[in-house]
Amino acid sequence: NAGVTQTPKFQVLKTGQSMTLQCAQDMNHEYMSWYRQDPGMGLRLIHYSVGAGITDQGEVPNGYNVSRSTTEDFPLRLLSAAPSQTSVYFCASTDIYEQYFGPGTRLTVT
Amino acid sequence: KQEVTQIPAALSVPEGENLVLNCSFTDSAIYNLQWFRQDPGKGLTSLLLIQSSQREQTSGRLNASLDKSSGRSTLYIAASQPGDSATYLCAVLRGSQGNLIFGKGTKLSVKP
Repeated sequence: NAGVTQTPKFQVLKTGQSMTLQCAQDMNHEYMSWYRQDPGMGLRLIHYSVGAGITDQGEVPNGYNVSRSTTEDFPLRLLSAAPSQTSVYFCASTDIYEQYFGPGTRLTVT
Repeated sequence: KQEVTQIPAALSVPEGENLVLNCSFTDSAIYNLQWFRQDPGKGLTSLLLIQSSQREQTSGRLNASLDKSSGRSTLYIAASQPGDSATYLCAVLRGSQGNLIFGKGTKLSVKP
């Protein structure tokens, strides 16, 4: 039982490049979400999904796309990276009691 | 809009002290409250979760309390150790499968 896994752990992008942050969970949770963590700002919700085929925006969705084709996977796409997207990204999945977080992806956009 | 505040932002104590970290939230309509620990450059480790119907939870040297009516939670750490040094985050869940609203954390340093 791996819990929540995220890849890659680290990534450096140039402005304008695109990439996908991967997130997977093996707990059969319906609810998954993406947060970003910035110094002085705490963790903020980007997008979330209440089940396969259903996604919605969180507090800071601009510049990010998500889709949910399976229960297990919830990838986060950056279509055209900007320096403001330099951050640490955490994926989480939720049962009815609590949220479980992945180890994070540290992204730098130059 | 739910807001979560953690005081103090940073705390330095000598080893062996008992200490209290504070968390306050503006909307008492929460489903649960969760305390996390985060080590530098690492992910979030869940420490304690308190359901809205509960008053406190304990795990080892940690005790978390919840007072929904006043919008407050405290995390009590007994007999602190250098290994407790980390950032402690408080977060509230708005619905049974809603989203967590985080405080900005308290950075704890326990000196040997």
